[in-house]
Amino acid sequence: GAGVSQSPRYKVAKRGQDVALRCDPISGHVSLFWYQQALGQGPEFLTYFQNEAQLDKSGLPSDRFFAERPEGSVSTLKIQRTQQEDSAVYLCASSYRTGSTPLSGNTIYFGEGSWLTVV
Amino acid sequence: RKEVEQDPGPFNVPEGATVAFNCTYSNSASQSFFWYRQDCRKEPKLLMSVYSSGNEDGRFTAQLNRASQYISLLIRDSKLSDSATYLCVVIPLFGGSQGNLIFGKGTKLSVKP
Repeated sequence: GAGVSQSPRYKVAKRGQDVALRCDPISGHVSLFWYQQALGQGPEFLTYFQNEAQLDKSGLPSDRFFAERPEGSVSTLKIQRTQQEDSAVYLCASSYRTGSTPLSGNTIYFGEGSWLTVV
Repeated sequence: RKEVEQDPGPFNVPEGATVAFNCTYSNSASQSFFWYRQDCRKEPKLLMSVYSSGNEDGRFTAQLNRASQYISLLIRDSKLSDSATYLCVVIPLFGGSQGNLIFGKGTKLSVKP
């Protein structure tokens, strides 16, 4: 596709339910990032992949959060036993270079996000 | 203290006004600086990079003061279409957040006719 595609766009989950959020990056993009954006806040880093390798997962808030990118393309963010504080927009971003520096044309492209509401 | 701090606003200004946003960052080893724009219920998009020498893109001027760890964005002749949230972004060179985009909370701008 032309841009970063995320699904589902909107998800309502009951507390305790597991959810899986999918990110389809731009074809050929090496780097993939997940961010969490709570209402009224800026996006916060969750995790970073370079191809299939998860190089940084320091931002994952708890062991209920798990991300994978097994073939170096599509990525899935899984949240187990969802809680109300997990309600947020989950943004995926990709870039064709390694690292996150949007300099020298290495623009990071964000998807429109998956809006998760836990009730 | 958050790594990147911004006044959340909202800034309500009439069309044609000049408006300035400020941002401070705590990590003195920060490497790169940007302003992103985020429309309601949309993803962030890169507006412009910020350099020590200052840079201008049409009606937008960005400035960086490394000594004061301060970044600014000036918008001249505001248009209705400028209404959005403006996110200050820093990339630290060292530390736990090294190499990652660190976002401020954003400053909401509303331009009125």
